[in-house]
Amino acid sequence: EAGVTQSPTHLIKTRGQQATLRCSPISGHTSVYWYQQALGLGLQFLLWYDEGEERNRGNFPPRFSGRQFPNYSSELNVNALELEDSALYLCASSIFRGTFTGGSPLHFGNGTRLTVT
Amino acid sequence: GQQLNQSPQSMFIQEGEDVSMNCTSSSIFNTWLWYKQDPGEGPVLLIALYKAGELTSNGRLTAQFGITRKDSFLNISASIPSDVGIYFCAGFSTGGTSYGKLTFGQGTILTVHP
Repeated sequence: EAGVTQSPTHLIKTRGQQATLRCSPISGHTSVYWYQQALGLGLQFLLWYDEGEERNRGNFPPRFSGRQFPNYSSELNVNALELEDSALYLCASSIFRGTFTGGSPLHFGNGTRLTVT
Repeated sequence: GQQLNQSPQSMFIQEGEDVSMNCTSSSIFNTWLWYKQDPGEGPVLLIALYKAGELTSNGRLTAQFGITRKDSFLNISASIPSDVGIYFCAGFSTGGTSYGKLTFGQGTILTVHP
């Protein structure tokens, strides 16, 4: 069974540009999560999508946005890039059964390393 | 927002020693997860805990879901060099703005000397 796949593995952009990161979840998983991991820091929650809808978002500015497609894959867009956006962006997928009574473990991809110069 | 306090921040141990790390929170969590992250890779799930008081093992790893639902610990017995990495605790809550959000601790960096 294929795991969570992310592309590209590395991305270099300059300040002010836009970045698009892509994620394909594990087959059968309907939920996709995005996390930011800056160097030396823990994982910060960005976005959660399920069944094509945004279910929750973290404390990030609106220039961080995304979407989930009918095949459950997802895109993260970061507009007007700033130097501090340089980080590892991790995507994870899980099974969500419509009500949140407990956590189905998240399975992570290996991330996209975004460098903003 | 919710925060998880994970300790210690780093550990330097000799091969064969046992390791213990823990997470505490001021908030109640319904699920506790422990992950390990190797350099250049995403976190890999080690153990999942779903009930207060639950004690679960996975090989040399043992983790417990605290009875107050505000803490969890992870033990590694007889450490080996491949245990090197960053260990993260994470908790799920169901309430309010934290709906469906998995909150992570700051991580414990483990170094094992052969």
